[in-house]
Amino acid sequence: RKEVEQDPGPFNVPEGATVAFNCTYSNSASQSFFWYRQDCRKEPKLLMSVYSSGNEDGRFTAQLNRASQYISLLIRDSKLSDSATYLCVVNRDGAGTALIFGKGTTLSVSS
Amino acid sequence: GAVVSQHPSRVICKSGTSVKIECRSLDFQATTMFWYRQFPKQSLMLMATSNEGSKATYEQGVEKDKFLINHASLTLSTLTVTSAHPEDSSFYICSAPLTGTNEKLFFGSGTQLSVL
Repeated sequence: RKEVEQDPGPFNVPEGATVAFNCTYSNSASQSFFWYRQDCRKEPKLLMSVYSSGNEDGRFTAQLNRASQYISLLIRDSKLSDSATYLCVVNRDGAGTALIFGKGTTLSVSS
Repeated sequence: GAVVSQHPSRVICKSGTSVKIECRSLDFQATTMFWYRQFPKQSLMLMATSNEGSKATYEQGVEKDKFLINHASLTLSTLTVTSAHPEDSSFYICSAPLTGTNEKLFFGSGTQLSVL
């Protein structure tokens, strides 16, 4: 089983749509969880950390279910500029350990 | 904010040559650096964890004799692809966390390696 698995995508949505990405991870010892965004051939950029209580940053909402080892990202009111690949990321175990990336889900927002 | 500088950004080389990629933390000390590789339409795959002053830890399936990692100082880690072949063509990217945390992980801008 892969360490981090995501929806295969791609997701093609119109502007203004709401879209949800799902992710599961295999290592119950993972302590930190993130969503990163990557544009083509660029370094990934942190979108948001994911906390157990769930957290929101503007149009973006992240949820974590430790029991199910499941992470989600909800994007509301999609913008053209949201088009990118979204990477589900978990750390291997404790602080300072490597981040393991999911394969990514590609989002394309059209006008 | 903290910056990780990686260069070169792009390398084109002949098969059989060796290529060195440098990753520097510019305003913080990085005792650990991570090296990733990304093939087209694939995820970033962790290759190895570089530790200052000690041997790197390689992921399963990554040849340590082919991908030489040196972390000689607290601000510099290098990845050398030895005897490069076309199948080594990929996007290589380094990252460094602030010590003791994954909350702040800084990435280099990546190196696109093309082996002819």
